[in-house]
Amino acid sequence: QVQLQESGPGLVKPSETLSLTCTVSGGSIDTYYWTWIRQPPGKGLEWIGYIFHTGSTNYNPSLKSRVTMSLDTSNNQFSLKLSSVTAADTAVYYCARELNLRLGEFSFATFDIWGQGTMVTVSS
Amino acid sequence: DIQMTQSPSSLSASVGDRVTVTCRASQSISNYLDWYQQKPGKAPKLLIYATSRLQVGVPSRFRGSGSGTDFTLTITTLQPEDFATYYCQQSYSTPRTFGQGTKLEIK
Repeated sequence: QVQLQESGPGLVKPSETLSLTCTVSGGSIDTYYWTWIRQPPGKGLEWIGYIFHTGSTNYNPSLKSRVTMSLDTSNNQFSLKLSSVTAADTAVYYCARELNLRLGEFSFATFDIWGQGTMVTVSS
Repeated sequence: DIQMTQSPSSLSASVGDRVTVTCRASQSISNYLDWYQQKPGKAPKLLIYATSRLQVGVPSRFRGSGSGTDFTLTITTLQPEDFATYYCQQSYSTPRTFGQGTKLEIK
């Protein structure tokens, strides 16, 4: 079955760029919307954005100026870059698959598969 | 952005109880509402999508209902493994947004 695994540095200095990669195994990246979601310690979930298999992107407006997502289809990976980080960006970062399901005349999107998450701390 | 508000924020219950969690959207989202379960140190797990559709492998004691702005997640007979935090999430529009979570604890 499809599995996702995040990887990247666990510690990033303030003002630098956070870079994470999600490796997709057991299936192809050549479809679906590939998503990043984060969760600060003890808090709720925040959608960062997604990248479609075509390369088109949709970012949360609250982070849009600092976010870049990309695909590496040859390695079945997708990536997140978040620039100019501060302590407020400290969180567990999850990658997830957004599955689109057709139910009758309607199409629904849902996060059906998640990576285990990776903790990123922003600190000098 | 569509704001999602869950109530209660925390809930104490016993094994065998029936519990209900409520989620309210700041505008109509039709039935574009999902529920997730998260246990400590783990990623969220999809329970219900499209308001009431059970994800494959999820026990039938989990039920979702609602439409428009008001939704509920009901667990009909609590099992020990159900004690966790539950989140609702709208997929009506982007940015996707989540409720703040409801922590279900053992009484």
